[in-house]
Amino acid sequence: ELKVEQNPLFLSMQEGKNYTIYCNYSTTSDRLYWYRQDPGKSLESLFVLLSNGAVKQEGRLMASLDTKARLSTLHITAAVHDLSATYFCADFMNYGGSQGNLIFGKGTKLSVKP
Amino acid sequence: SAVISQKPSRDICQRGTSLTIQCQVDSQVTMMFWYRQQPGQSLTLIATANQGSEATYESGFVIDKFPISRPNLTFSTLTVSNMSPEDSSIYLCSVSKGDTGELFFGEGSRLTVL
Repeated sequence: ELKVEQNPLFLSMQEGKNYTIYCNYSTTSDRLYWYRQDPGKSLESLFVLLSNGAVKQEGRLMASLDTKARLSTLHITAAVHDLSATYFCADFMNYGGSQGNLIFGKGTKLSVKP
Repeated sequence: SAVISQKPSRDICQRGTSLTIQCQVDSQVTMMFWYRQQPGQSLTLIATANQGSEATYESGFVIDKFPISRPNLTFSTLTVSNMSPEDSSIYLCSVSKGDTGELFFGEGSRLTVL
């Protein structure tokens, strides 16, 4: 069964603190994606990780991919309130070539409090 | 990236009726995907729509309930038929562009079935 498991599912942080969200997936895919969803909004692409060892950073967020462990992490540095949202990781299901669809985790609802 | 427009953005429907959701993309794409996001939940793929062929449905979704059209490379529709309150969800259209497998999402159509 194809699975994408995120933890934690709920995360309440204080501003200025660091934390990591974990994403385990079951396929042998070498691609992993992170999305952000604000309440009542659609999904915004944050990171596309395309190979083992890939690391990408944008502001206070950094994502990494370990395909051997089938694990991706999203690290939050010095959290601020604006980061409050739900974060989804997604695994790539290949149809052939570069085409495929994504299998999403359950999401991590992040709340950053002053 | 891609600009994806969905209509309607939200609707309140009566049990037993059907509603068609439209998805327009600003450029030609091979594959379009329809996802469902039930309240507070993750995204579940309903079907993949390729132009010129029948849509491919995921387990648990059938054509009679969710008929899909894909008349050209920039447009698709999803119909939710004979609706019940359990169909209350956000329905999201998405496309893949480039060779990274990254999906871009429309703003979603929020359906409430009474």
